[in-house]
Amino acid sequence: EVQLVQSGAEVKQPGESLKISCRVSGYIFTDYYIGWVRQMPGKGLEWMGSIYPGDSDTRYSPSFQGQVTISVDKSIGTAYLHWSSLKASDTAVYYCARSPGAHYGDWFGPWGQGTLVTVSS
Amino acid sequence: DIVMTQSPDSLAVSLGERATINCKSSQSIFHSSNNKNYLAWYQQKPGQPPKLLIYWASTRESGVPDRFSGSGSGADFTLTISSLQAEDVAVYYCQQYYSTPSLTFGGGTKVEI
Repeated sequence: EVQLVQSGAEVKQPGESLKISCRVSGYIFTDYYIGWVRQMPGKGLEWMGSIYPGDSDTRYSPSFQGQVTISVDKSIGTAYLHWSSLKASDTAVYYCARSPGAHYGDWFGPWGQGTLVTVSS
Repeated sequence: DIVMTQSPDSLAVSLGERATINCKSSQSIFHSSNNKNYLAWYQQKPGQPPKLLIYWASTRESGVPDRFSGSGSGADFTLTISSLQAEDVAVYYCQQYYSTPSLTFGGGTKVEI
């Protein structure tokens, strides 16, 4: 069974750094793109970017380019989403989700359970 | 970016009745090279992550009940729930994957009983 398990909820202060994770199982990690999607409180879904673990090819939405960094650790089948300096507006639930193959511009499924990030002073 | 517009924002449907959700893209998302529409539909129940229902506009994901169907082409698409069940109460999103680098979602449609 394909599973994506995300790290737990985080509460941070503005200006702090944060890295959340998405650990996969049930398939060959390096064969499928993984994307990250933001959902702000009470709002819709926004694609942030995707990474291909096979060669770390990473594509970002222009809206998120330079704001976050997506990376992977192939040795442990885990993808990461990193902020160097959080803002209050980064408060949201963040989902990782697998694409159907070796092309980043596709649909997403299955999804991780989500990680709630709260940024508040 | 391609803008995805869903309508209505919400709708109330009686159990066993049909629910119809519309999704319009700001430009055609049909690729003539493979005759495919680059559109997916998702279901998100309260407190849960989204779940893939349909891709290529009309291909049902494995395990999705056949009361869910997708139709449309070009820039106009529809998700139909033929006979609404209580467990179908959720927000539904469309997503285009025609235009890169940005993959974009519609604003969502809330289905209630």
